[in-house]
Amino acid sequence: GAGVSQSPRYKVAKRGQDVALRCDPISGHVSLFWYQQALGQGPEFLTYFQNEAQLDKSGLPSDRFFAERPEGSVSTLKIQRTQQEDSAVYLCASSFRQIATDTQYFGPGTRLTVL
Amino acid sequence: AQSVAQPEDQVNVAEGNPLTVKCTYSVSGNPYLFWYVQYPNRGLQFLLKYITGDNLVKGSYGFEAEFNKSQTSFHLKKPSALVSDSALYFCAVRDGPGSARQLTFGSGTQLTVLP
Repeated sequence: GAGVSQSPRYKVAKRGQDVALRCDPISGHVSLFWYQQALGQGPEFLTYFQNEAQLDKSGLPSDRFFAERPEGSVSTLKIQRTQQEDSAVYLCASSFRQIATDTQYFGPGTRLTVL
Repeated sequence: AQSVAQPEDQVNVAEGNPLTVKCTYSVSGNPYLFWYVQYPNRGLQFLLKYITGDNLVKGSYGFEAEFNKSQTSFHLKKPSALVSDSALYFCAVRDGPGSARQLTFGSGTQLTVLP
């Protein structure tokens, strides 16, 4: 079946611009996660949704980062007034249930470059 | 707090030889451990996980991993490496059933299988 999809795959923004990154999770998956992967690093947690509820946003690096999942399916990660340090790959993952043993399935990521 | 260490940035192995990619973890409770593989410009692909039970876990593409509680390790292994196994491998941990839902990743190990 279809996996997690993300769009756009690549985004170039000028410093100070706002960007919006989209994630389509696997159909029926309750949990949705956003991670940030800097070059040469492992992914780092940003935020977590259970259905439409954002239960954990402890990883968001600043108040310029905002995520939503209004209908419990598609999610958008928005970054306002982008800075060069925001350049990274943004990964979305989903899992079927909300329990800790469930496998997270990842999308291909959006590579954001801030000039 | 949960953490993962992958002590080797790079592992080289000849095709047909056994491979091992090392991972150690630190959690306060019982660990849930995962291995993912990342090919260039692609997201993370799930390989296998340890939740409970048999310490030897078998996963996709002939990979297996051994959970060792006394050494707090979860090394990834394959009896006979293929050139197509060359990729970036990530170990990840989640700290038990009552923990936060997100994964904590290691910094990754680049595996190169030489023909």
